[in-house]
Amino acid sequence: AQTVTQSQPEMSVQEAETVTLSCTYDTSESNYYLFWYKQPPSRQMILVIRQEAYKQQNATENRFSVNFQKAAKSFSLKISDSQLGDTAMYFCAHAGNNRKLIWGLGTSLAVNP
Amino acid sequence: DTAVSQTPKYLVTQMGNDKSIKCEQNLGHDTMYWYKQDSKKFLKIMFSYNNKELIINETVPNRFSPKSPDKAHLNLHINSLELGDSAVYFCASSMGGGRASYEQYFGPGTRLTVT
Repeated sequence: AQTVTQSQPEMSVQEAETVTLSCTYDTSESNYYLFWYKQPPSRQMILVIRQEAYKQQNATENRFSVNFQKAAKSFSLKISDSQLGDTAMYFCAHAGNNRKLIWGLGTSLAVNP
Repeated sequence: DTAVSQTPKYLVTQMGNDKSIKCEQNLGHDTMYWYKQDSKKFLKIMFSYNNKELIINETVPNRFSPKSPDKAHLNLHINSLELGDSAVYFCASSMGGGRASYEQYFGPGTRLTVT
């Protein structure tokens, strides 16, 4: 069965510091996609970053980067130079060929001034 | 321009009523989804349509009925509302085919409160 596990329900970080959110997944597919979504208090779901499984290079979007370890089925998100606006719920998601996203339970991140 | 829009954003109604939530996307996507997010923030897929055809139908009570008049619209009708239906409902869309076909773009959500 396809699953996504986020083992950290809550995390906090000081402004300007770096934080890493963990995500592991399970799949039997060889080609798939992984995503991190952010849900701030406004409740809007925002795509932060995507990774295609066949690409070995880790995806990067400005201050957001991932550490994709395909053999370990690990997909962590690193946020550098944390900002107050990064305070949000972060969801890891996996998508296979049926276009259905499998979601983790989320990590609530608080950025403290 | 709003990419995925939902109306209404807030909906307060009494048990037993019937209500609808509308969703429209102007991204040219051919797949649309409905999700339910409960109070613990868990996201659960309910339905998905691809070019007006139902492709995902999770275990959802029959009181929930999606309708897709065209590939840019996916509405959700709920009959005989119950207290447990209180949640945030998200509409999303994605492209069909190609490398970016699985990333989904979300609407702002509709907070449904059943009293």
